[in-house]
Amino acid sequence: NAGVTQTPKFRILKIGQSMTLQCTQDMNHNYMYWYRQDPGMGLKLIYYSVGAGITDKGEVPNGYNVSRSTTEDFPLRLELAAPSQTSVYFCASSLSGRANTGELFFGEGSRLTVL
Amino acid sequence: DQQVKQNSPSLSVQEGRISILNCDYTNSMFDYFLWYKKYPAEGPTFLISISSIKDKNEDGRFTVFLNKSAKHLSLHIVPSQPGDSAVYFCAASARYGGATNKLIFGTGTLLAVQP
Repeated sequence: NAGVTQTPKFRILKIGQSMTLQCTQDMNHNYMYWYRQDPGMGLKLIYYSVGAGITDKGEVPNGYNVSRSTTEDFPLRLELAAPSQTSVYFCASSLSGRANTGELFFGEGSRLTVL
Repeated sequence: DQQVKQNSPSLSVQEGRISILNCDYTNSMFDYFLWYKKYPAEGPTFLISISSIKDKNEDGRFTVFLNKSAKHLSLHIVPSQPGDSAVYFCAASARYGGATNKLIFGTGTLLAVQP
């Protein structure tokens, strides 16, 4: 079972470059999320989606964009990378949008460094 | 402003003994709590949860205790095993199983179980 797959696992960017973190899930989950985890901090929600064609901002959306053209895919786009975006990024999905029934399934993470 | 706090960044326990991981929260509206476990180079995985109508929930070796008056919860692992060595994240949501996009995560506690 693949679950949630993220690529790439590691990437180094120069300031001002752009890139896309890919995320795909094979569980037919409607809900998908992008989190970032900085050292010594909890997971912070960047963007989420409740279904194909629908996305919304989370707690820390600045500097990012997302799209959800299919149920399976939820790419995260970084435009004009900045050192503050150095972090570990996690994609997640859930069957339900409610915390008491919607266990989050996470990908393995993508470690991004902006120099 | 960290609404969910895990004040111990790390914890070391001998195999076979009890591990107690603590989590404090400040928002009295939180009424559903979850623990996620994360191994290195993997994404977090759901471990156990508790709602505010309970003060204890048990699943095998894992028990979560909730003290609403103290705004404190703890995860007990008995007996601890080397395979339990991981980072443990506490998370909270409001409005009983409120939206998964409103989950607030703590900073995590690294548990090391020594053989």
